[in-house]
Amino acid sequence: QSVLTQPPSVSGAPGQRITISCTGSSSNIGADHDVHWYQQLPGTAPRLLIYGNNNRPSGVPDRFSGSKSATSASLAITGLQAEDEAEYHCQSYDNNLGDSRVFGGGTKLTVL
Amino acid sequence: EVQLVESGGGLIQPGGSLRLSCAASGFTVSTNYMTWVRQAPGKGLEWVSVIYIDGSPYYADSVRGRFTVSRDISKNTLYLQTNSLRAEDTAVYYCATEIAATKGALDFWGQGTMVTVSS
Repeated sequence: QSVLTQPPSVSGAPGQRITISCTGSSSNIGADHDVHWYQQLPGTAPRLLIYGNNNRPSGVPDRFSGSKSATSASLAITGLQAEDEAEYHCQSYDNNLGDSRVFGGGTKLTVL
Repeated sequence: EVQLVESGGGLIQPGGSLRLSCAASGFTVSTNYMTWVRQAPGKGLEWVSVIYIDGSPYYADSVRGRFTVSRDISKNTLYLQTNSLRAEDTAVYYCATEIAATKGALDFWGQGTMVTVSS
């Protein structure tokens, strides 16, 4: 059982916009801790996609964006492409777990 | 170029121990927050441990008391000593660098090393 909750799967057609939610609580996202997002292609290590809620590392297309509100965060992908098919993970920090970082369970994005 | 290369995984019986290594190049492990994350087969990511620049270690509840994170500055290498291994510790173990002051954002990752705990 992950501390942060994500939908197991989402799907969308090429060119569409999709969002992936990440729901936490008052001890993590709701405590104003930043949310980070990762993309993981099959058989590879995760790649940092968004950090600090809405910042993109160098090389990440601006089709990817993040937002945060209250105890939840969202990752949005616009202009969906076949290469976006991957697992997406959210991450934050939790006050109640002794300086622990926490992840969501991951969301599988299928491009139809 | 930043590079992280994990090693030390393998098949181990329940109750056994393994020492995982993460050899770094392109930067110095002692001047970065260094993290271990694991991923059980078909599951999501699980944060395991972090070691701060001052050497302070922190652990997930699931491994505290059994795992120990350390670093060797002369070898520029991060370690994870895993003891009293259980079936539920079976996972790919990744090391990663954490961006300072982000409380978690991991910008560089290794390729991972597989640990299988089974009799």
